[in-house]
Amino acid sequence: DAGVTQSPTHLIKTRGQQVTLRCSPKSGHDTVSWYQQALGQGPQFIFQYYEEEERQRGNFPDRFSGHQFPNYSSELNVNALLLGDSALYLCASSRRRVGNRNTEAFFGQGTRLTVV
Amino acid sequence: AQSVSQHNHHVILSEAASLELGCNYSYGGTVNLFWYVQYPGQHLQLLLKYFSGDPLVKGIKGFEAEFIKSKFSFNLRKPSVQWSDTAEYFCAVVTGTASKLTFGTGTRLQVTL
Repeated sequence: DAGVTQSPTHLIKTRGQQVTLRCSPKSGHDTVSWYQQALGQGPQFIFQYYEEEERQRGNFPDRFSGHQFPNYSSELNVNALLLGDSALYLCASSRRRVGNRNTEAFFGQGTRLTVV
Repeated sequence: AQSVSQHNHHVILSEAASLELGCNYSYGGTVNLFWYVQYPGQHLQLLLKYFSGDPLVKGIKGFEAEFIKSKFSFNLRKPSVQWSDTAEYFCAVVTGTASKLTFGTGTRLQVTL
């Protein structure tokens, strides 16, 4: 049973460019969340997708956008990259339960994005 | 907005020493609490979770945590650490009907032989 898989594992981009990160959730999971983890910090919630819609959003600018596909996989897009966007981007998947609560989240290994 | 505080940023222990890592959260309503561990070069893994019921929860690898509602705390404990416990430990909370995780800044644990 595959866990959460993310691609690519590492990426180097130039300021101003755009980037797309990809995530496949754990089998049986229908909800995907994205987190940004800066060096020495805990992960910060970016947004969450369920049923192909953005359901919750953290304190991130509109440059950060996403998508969820019918097979539950997801993409995170970041436009107009800034140096400060350099971080580990984590994808987490979970399953929606009755009452709109989710099971615990399982994380992928992350994509290390470096903006130069 | 809810927040999570982990006051120990870097802890160094000898093998067989006892461990307690502090975690406090700020939210007055219903919470689900988690401890995640990130071993060097690996992904975040769930150590243990509290959803409801017995406030003393046991997780993998001999870890346990106690939810004390009156103190807004969820401290992680292990009676005897091993070198292989060297990792970064994150406390996280889910509040209300939301399902997003709010993480603390993490505690780096270094276990020496």
